[in-house]
Amino acid sequence: AQRVTQPEKLLSVFKGAPVELKCNYSYSGSPELFWYVQYSRQRLQLLLRHISRESIKGFTADLNKGETSFHLKKPFAQEEDSAMYYCALSPRGGGFKTIFGAGTRLFVKA
Amino acid sequence: SAVISQKPSRDICQRGTSLTIQCQVDSQVTMMFWYRQQPGQSLTLIATANQGSEATYESGFVIDKFPISRPNLTFSTLTVSNMSPEDSSIYLCSVETLTSGRETQYFGPGTRLLVL
Repeated sequence: AQRVTQPEKLLSVFKGAPVELKCNYSYSGSPELFWYVQYSRQRLQLLLRHISRESIKGFTADLNKGETSFHLKKPFAQEEDSAMYYCALSPRGGGFKTIFGAGTRLFVKA
Repeated sequence: SAVISQKPSRDICQRGTSLTIQCQVDSQVTMMFWYRQQPGQSLTLIATANQGSEATYESGFVIDKFPISRPNLTFSTLTVSNMSPEDSSIYLCSVETLTSGRETQYFGPGTRLLVL
């Protein structure tokens, strides 16, 4: 079954602390993995995708095919990182039938 | 990129009635998607709407309940028919466009629906 699992509904860290949002997936094939973010009162937007191998706003995510994981990491959390983060999977390079995880709310405390 | 607007932004409706949600995109796109996000849950794809063809519905969603129109490449509507409180949700319109050589998904602001 195709599935994206985000085990933490809420993650609370102090400003300056490292943060890791966990994501595991189940898919028979080679999916593309994404992280989407939704800041308060803003629309859902793409944060990064595994193919790009880029760092966005200090966040990185490495696809581990052996562990079927795509954890999102940032070495030093900032208050403005507080948001809802969704891990997502797509069977091909796009939104067609994208499967979303349940989301993790990140709260960065001052 | 693509900028998406939705109308209405929110509504409160009585059970048994229907609501039509509009989605407007600032550029022509082939694929448009409608998602539902129930309280405390993730996004669930309702259907994919391509211009010139009938929408393709995901398991658990049927055309009679969620009729979709796609009259052109910049516009779509989703109707939630014969509403019940279980239809209370956020409904999101989404499109896929080519950005920097990659297919990228963009989302509208959502329509927050409460059914009494």
